[in-house]
Amino acid sequence: DAGVIQSPRHEVTEMGQEVTLRCKPISGHNSLFWYRQTMMRGLELLIYFNNNVPIDDSGMPEDRFSAKMPNASFSTLKIQPSEPRDSAVYFCASSPTSGRSDTQYFGPGTRLTVL
Amino acid sequence: QKEVEQDPGPLSVPEGAIVSLNCTYSNSAFQYFMWYRQYSRKGPELLMYTYSSGNKEDGRFTAQVDKSSKYISLFIRDSQPSDSATYLCAMSSRARGAQKLVFGQGTRLTINP
Repeated sequence: DAGVIQSPRHEVTEMGQEVTLRCKPISGHNSLFWYRQTMMRGLELLIYFNNNVPIDDSGMPEDRFSAKMPNASFSTLKIQPSEPRDSAVYFCASSPTSGRSDTQYFGPGTRLTVL
Repeated sequence: QKEVEQDPGPLSVPEGAIVSLNCTYSNSAFQYFMWYRQYSRKGPELLMYTYSSGNKEDGRFTAQVDKSSKYISLFIRDSQPSDSATYLCAMSSRARGAQKLVFGQGTRLTINP
């Protein structure tokens, strides 16, 4: 299995630009999570989906952030407009339907720098 | 106050030493406790998983949970340079959905040859 795939791996953009991060979960996993990691705040859950439906978006910092999951194999996290304080590593993770559904498998992350 | 507290370190020990990493938490509803390991510029990967109180051993790694004290630990025996990484504790409760994890800040560990 290829694991969780994220793209791009690195993104450098200027303040005010739109940023779209992409994630392909592990095939057969029905839960998908978006996290943000910074030195100051650690790993924070932004939003998660079960069966493509957003369940909890209480961690989304503000309206500039939005996430979609149009199908079981693809999700996007969009920031519009981006700000320097959005600079962080963004991780996508997925977890399986059965068995130990608490176990989350993380992608390699997207390192975002907003200038 | 954060729900999960973890000393960010950094922690530096010589090869072969026993390492102890710890987290405290405030939510008594947490029942599932995990340790993730994160190498530099990589995503976290699950290292240990424990349900409720007690110990769990896997090779050189031992996870302990003390629910009465709201305290969890990870011990690494015979530490190796390849153990150098950031270790994050994570926990969840059925009440909020077993899949929603709350992570500690992470402790950066370096094992010196």
